[in-house]
Amino acid sequence: EVQLVESGGYLVQPGGSLRLSCAASGFTFSDHYMDWVRQAPGKGLEWVGRSRNKAKSYTTEYAASVKGRFTISRDDSKNSLYLQMNSLKTEDTAVYYCARGLIVGATVYFDSWGQGTLVTVSS
Amino acid sequence: DIQLTQSPSFLSASVGDRVTITCRASQGISSYLAWYQQKPGKAPKFLIYSASTLQSGVPSRFSGSGSGTEFTLTISSLQPEDFATYYCQQVNSYPLTFGPGTRVDIK
Repeated sequence: EVQLVESGGYLVQPGGSLRLSCAASGFTFSDHYMDWVRQAPGKGLEWVGRSRNKAKSYTTEYAASVKGRFTISRDDSKNSLYLQMNSLKTEDTAVYYCARGLIVGATVYFDSWGQGTLVTVSS
Repeated sequence: DIQLTQSPSFLSASVGDRVTITCRASQGISSYLAWYQQKPGKAPKFLIYSASTLQSGVPSRFSGSGSGTEFTLTISSLQPEDFATYYCQQVNSYPLTFGPGTRVDIK
């Protein structure tokens, strides 16, 4: 069974940093693209960024709203995905989900999601 | 960026009703569209990909159609467990974007 478990969410002050983790199990982690998606309280879903798989050299993509502040990394030996968040803003307050990528032809869909971890940015 | 709009934003329906949700893209995205279901306090659930392909384990009362800029999600006979918010998502180009959601409530 595919399982994704996020952790690391916390209350942090504006300008601060935080590192989220996503522990994966039940599948061959290195084969998959992995993404972060966030949801501000009471709002819709917003894609944050992507880590491609080993075959694609772990290259990354980011939403404009986080580019230069957030960094996605992974450790396939630990079946883990990370999101390093720096220079946090109040508008980064959200539940952060990690999602597994399902490769279909030239595209990727999110076929499994973690339960999410809440990041609150407030003074 | 590709913008997605959904209509309606909210609908009230009864068990057994046929429900249709529309998702429109600001530019053509071929069939690179997914649908997700989200219940309060829970993670989204993957329903449909490539506009019309049902994910394994998803009940057959769910179906998707469309290509280009207009897409629909149809629930043929609404069940109690289907009351939720539904999001479309385009995977045609970066940044990946989601629609604003359609909340389906019990009438």
